[in-house]
Order: sequence, then C-alpha cells, then structure tokens
Amino acid sequence: AQKVTQAQTEISVVEKEDVTLDCVYETRDTTYYLFWYKQPPSGELVFLIRRNSFDEQNEISGRYSWNFQKSTSSFNFTITASQVVDSAVYFCPTYGNNRLAFGKGNQVVVIP
Amino acid sequence: NAGVTQTPKFQVLKTGQSMTLQCAQDMNHEYMSWYRQDPGMGLRLIHYSVGAGITDQGEVPNGYNVSRSTTEDFPLRLLSAAPSQTSVYFCASSVTRMNTEAFFGQGTRLTVV
Repeated sequence: AQKVTQAQTEISVVEKEDVTLDCVYETRDTTYYLFWYKQPPSGELVFLIRRNSFDEQNEISGRYSWNFQKSTSSFNFTITASQVVDSAVYFCPTYGNNRLAFGKGNQVVVIP
Repeated sequence: NAGVTQTPKFQVLKTGQSMTLQCAQDMNHEYMSWYRQDPGMGLRLIHYSVGAGITDQGEVPNGYNVSRSTTEDFPLRLLSAAPSQTSVYFCASSVTRMNTEAFFGQGTRLTVV
C-alpha cells in the first residue's frame, strides 16, 4: 500500500524566508503518481502539482519549486521568499489502488 | 463554474441520528470520493465511486453508506451517528481515477454529541 511521511508537523518562518517541506513516499508500484495540495485556513484543498514516476524533472512555478528524487523516494517542495498567504497545511499524497494516500501534512506558518 | 459543491457546511447531530451529506459536481467527472479529516491524521478515504452505479469501500468505511445513481451526485449517509464520526468531511472528484488532479469541495464540519 502507498504511504507518505511528512515528518515536519509545523514549520514557522519569517516572511521572505525560504521554506522546504520534505515528503518521503513508499510504494511497490513501478508506475505511481505524486501530488502536492495546499489547505489554507479556509479549509478547501487546492491542487498544486502532479508528478508521475517516469518524470524526474524538477519543476518551478513562480515561487514554488519541487524536487523529485526516486533514489531517495522523496518529492520535496520549496517555497521561495515566503509570504503570509503561504500559511497553510501542505499535503503530498500518493496515488495507488484507486485512492490518494495522505500523510499528516506540514503546517506552515509565515510570520509577517 | 461551481466545481464540487458540498452541503451542509456545518452540522451538529445527536448520537444515533442519521443524516446525509450531499456532494455534487458539474464537471462530468467519473471518479468521486469521500474523505474524512481528523486532527493530526491527514485525510482518510471512506468510500469512492469510479462511475454511476459503481461504489467501493475505502480505508474507513464502517458506519457510512454511499450510492451513485447519477454522474453528478455522490451522497454520503451516516447510518447511526457516533461521537467518533466527529470530523471534517471532504468530497472530491476527478476526470478518471485519482491519478489525475482532484477537485475538492469546501468540506462539511460534523459534530456528533
């Protein structure tokens, strides 16, 4: 079964600092999918990125970047120059067996 | 463009009562699912459906029923509410199975007293 581990439960940073969220996944599938979702204080979950197991290219989208490394089973997420609007819980679920398997998430608090 | 709509947003039930959480999507998505989110535990899958007339159990199905009579709607029924079902419930949909982007509803905060 798929499993993800997000070890850092709460991370506090001062505005404009960079923050990296670690995500370690476990899967027995050769083809698998990894995601990042953001859950702001308002509660809804917002899709950020999807990556399949054959695409190890890093991705940058504005202040967000992702580092996928199959060798270490990690799919880490970096927010550059953090802003107060980045305060949220971030999840990195993995897909398998008809479902998304969520970890406990990373609570990011950006202090103005 | 409504996306995924859940009703109600908040609900208080007494132990033993039953109720239905509603979920509707207007994107013609095949796949729909229900998750519950408890503090410190992430989201856990309750039930899912890969198309109209087809449902299956997820990780924590006990105490819940679902049906999928139309593509648009996927209601979640609590048969006899228990305090352990106090949680935030999310409905999600995606084009096919959950290996594509999922769209989540706003959530229903349920308290069972």
